[in-house]
Amino acid sequence: DTEVTQTPKHLVMGMTNKKSLKCEQHMGHRAMYWYKQKAKKPPELMFVYSYEKLSINESVPSRFSPECPNSSLLNLHLHALQPEDSALYLCASSQGPQITVHSPLHFGNGTRLTVT
Amino acid sequence: AQTVTQSQPEMSVQEAETVTLSCTYDTSESNYYLFWYKQPPSRQMILVIRQEAYKQQNATENRFSVNFQKAAKSFSLKISDSQLGDTAMYFCAFMKLMEYGNKLVFGAGTILRVKS
Repeated sequence: DTEVTQTPKHLVMGMTNKKSLKCEQHMGHRAMYWYKQKAKKPPELMFVYSYEKLSINESVPSRFSPECPNSSLLNLHLHALQPEDSALYLCASSQGPQITVHSPLHFGNGTRLTVT
Repeated sequence: AQTVTQSQPEMSVQEAETVTLSCTYDTSESNYYLFWYKQPPSRQMILVIRQEAYKQQNATENRFSVNFQKAAKSFSLKISDSQLGDTAMYFCAFMKLMEYGNKLVFGAGTILRVKS
């Protein structure tokens, strides 16, 4: 069982739709992350929130909008996506603001997004 | 630039045998962290093993162990007594320091198939 919960598991949306991906953790972790993963490729970092503040944005297009309402929740708002944005979106958390061997990343099961 | 190289795109091993997955990395830092993650068809990224660079002792976790060669910048993963449940994509990852935090840099991955 994963301690990082992502919903929905699957999402199909049109290019004009607005949707949101949700991520929740109750481990008391203070950093949360969004990754994008294409098939048979490694995850690519999109955003990092540390103590509920955006600390890293990897030059992600503005059609992806992250939000961290509180220390347990992380959302990714989607608008006007393109078919090439279809991918697995992974959420992760770490105990502290820095990734270390004592504070590694814990991943959720991901949301499989298809943009039509 | 810090990069992580996994030179084996795919590997196969018979159940109960031992297999080694290779990983090399490039960095100018003296202390850093290395990780191996596995991603089975269930999609979740699962932490397998972790290593601090300044610790010379190789990390072990049950059937999983690493051969960490700091001078050679090599971090290979050995899986002993392979089981069918070990079938997954394996990613080697390096912790990269950034101005406002750190992030994991993943290798391209190795698909491991355990055969009965």
